Amino acid sequence: KNEVEQSPQNLTAQEGEFITINCSYSVGISALHWLQQHPGGGIVSLFMLSSGKKKHGRLIATINIQEKHSSLHITASHPRDSAVYICAVRWSGGSYIPTFGRGTSLIVHP
Amino acid sequence: NAGVTQTPKFRVLKTGQSMTLLCAQDMNHEYMYWYRQDPGMGLRLIHYSVGEGTTAKGEVPDGYNVSRLKKQNFLLGLESAAPSQTSVYFCASSNQGWNTEAFFGQGTRLTVV
Repeated sequence: KNEVEQSPQNLTAQEGEFITINCSYSVGISALHWLQQHPGGGIVSLFMLSSGKKKHGRLIATINIQEKHSSLHITASHPRDSAVYICAVRWSGGSYIPTFGRGTSLIVHP
Repeated sequence: NAGVTQTPKFRVLKTGQSMTLLCAQDMNHEYMYWYRQDPGMGLRLIHYSVGEGTTAKGEVPDGYNVSRLKKQNFLLGLESAAPSQTSVYFCASSNQGWNTEAFFGQGTRLTVV
């Protein structure tokens, strides 16, 4: 069974810290998504990656296709970054049903 | 440009009642999905559609039915609600089946008592 593993499961940080969330997957993919969900809130797409690196404000997402690994970095973290971050992959081979990681719960303290 | 709109946002049902959740998207997306989200379980796929008039079962389809009569709308029905269907329901849409950015609705919090 194709799998997506996220780490860590829970993360606590102080405001201003640099944060890294990891996502590993088992076989080839055509796309990887990073999603954000605030407590009690909706789900928002942060990035979609198929190679390389993308940056949006303080958020950076990278992917290493050979190592089957992606990272989401948050620079200068802020309490408003407190949320669950979810990795989702679209497997190569034509499947249009993504597999989701279990999510990383991030709390940033002021 | 509204994106993906779900209605209603909240609902309380009694066991055995029926209801329909509506998902509407204005981005002309082919692919639409219904998920449920439960504590500790992550997002689980209920049903999905790859175009107008088509539907298919996902991971947890039992107790639900869907219809996609118009491209922009994807309806999720509960014919006889059960407490196990208490959950938060999310609709998502994308072009090229998640090979492009996916958009989610705001969610529907359903409680079955």
